[in-house]
Amino acid sequence: EVQLVESGGGSVKPGGSLRLSCAASGFTFRNAWMSWVRQAPGKGLEWVGRIKSKIDDETTDYASPVKGRFTISRDDSKNTLYLQMNSLKTEDTAVYFCATDPDSSDKYSFDDWGQGTLVTVSS
Amino acid sequence: QSALTQPASVSGPPGQSITISCTGTSSDVGAYNLVSWYQQHPGKAPKLIIYEGSKRPSGVSDRFSGSKSGNMASLTISGLQAEDEADYYCCSYAGSRSFWVFGGGTKVTVL
Repeated sequence: EVQLVESGGGSVKPGGSLRLSCAASGFTFRNAWMSWVRQAPGKGLEWVGRIKSKIDDETTDYASPVKGRFTISRDDSKNTLYLQMNSLKTEDTAVYFCATDPDSSDKYSFDDWGQGTLVTVSS
Repeated sequence: QSALTQPASVSGPPGQSITISCTGTSSDVGAYNLVSWYQQHPGKAPKLIIYEGSKRPSGVSDRFSGSKSGNMASLTISGLQAEDEADYYCCSYAGSRSFWVFGGGTKVTVL
């Protein structure tokens, strides 16, 4: 059974930094492309970015609102995905979900999701 | 503002059918057959219920069905049940610049 468990959320002031983690199990993590998706309070889902597998050079892609501020990385030896968030803005306040990327799915969809971790950016 | 447009809410009595629309553009919904739908109960993670526009993952009730015409995708829930009360989101591939775009979500209420 696929399990994705996020951690690292919390409160931070505007301009601050935070690193989220996502521990994966139940599938071959090193072969999987992984995504981060966020959901602002009471709002819809928003794709944040993704990282490809090592064999695909661990290339990353980001949504425009976070490009240059957020960095996705992975440690295949720990089956863990990371999201480093810098220069945080109040509009980054959201629950952050990690998910298996559609390009790793035979369904071209976000098949599996973690339970999410809340990030609050406020002065 | 979300990239894909969904109605904020849809409701119906138990047993009825409802349809949720998802309107995109010729750059996303209209360009690719890669629309997926997700069900999200309060405080929970989204759950995939439809992929590639009309296909159901194993274990998802056949009361859920999807379709697409031009720039609009639709999700129909037949025989509405109390457990279907949730938020529903559509998602589409939007090319190698925007990648994946979501709708703003539709709250389904079972009257």
